[in-house]
Amino acid sequence: GAVVSQHPSWVICKSGTSVKIECRSLDFQATTMFWYRQFPKQSLMLMATSNEGSKATYEQGVEKDKFLINHASLTLSTLTVTSAHPEDSSFYICSASDRPSSYEQYFGPGTRLTVT
Amino acid sequence: AQSVTQLDSQVPVFEEAPVELRCNYSSSVSVYLFWYVQYPNQGLQLLLKYLSGSTLVKGINGFEAEFNKSQTSFHLRKPSVHISDTAEYFCAVSGSGTYKYIFGTGTRLKVLA
Repeated sequence: GAVVSQHPSWVICKSGTSVKIECRSLDFQATTMFWYRQFPKQSLMLMATSNEGSKATYEQGVEKDKFLINHASLTLSTLTVTSAHPEDSSFYICSASDRPSSYEQYFGPGTRLTVT
Repeated sequence: AQSVTQLDSQVPVFEEAPVELRCNYSSSVSVYLFWYVQYPNQGLQLLLKYLSGSTLVKGINGFEAEFNKSQTSFHLRKPSVHISDTAEYFCAVSGSGTYKYIFGTGTRLKVLA
């Protein structure tokens, strides 16, 4: 149980275009989802927290207009990288929680974004 | 605010030898602590967690960790490692009521034959 999927697993896009990454909880309802960014050989940095039906809460330093997060249902959250640039190339990982009070998050396999 | 320090960026160890991966944290509130493992190009898998109760926590794949409040540590141990344990290990902390994770910088465990 507690499986989280991400799609696509790898995406290449041209500079200036937008790309959408999906995060789905397959066998539970995710009241809260988290989006992380991981640079090569570095740690995960929390970008934002989203609750179903509410606006996402972004961490300090994360551009809200560049990284659009939507959590429209209890099983789906999307991250859209708008006007992507090479410096946005990274590994994006989502996690989901059905009971935030349990403090446990279930992680997706990640999406590798390469902007050329 | 919370922070996590993983002192060792890389730990090489021979197969069947014991290993300890160190994690220290700082926090002004009660914390919950986690260890995750990441295999190449994959997401994170929970190894174990400390929320309350016994300070010695046993996890999957033979790993265990001990919460030491006085030393603000949560070191991960395994008595005998296998080649398949080669991976990146992350320690994470969540403060009471925040539900957000703060991750350490990770320790790359390399098990040598």
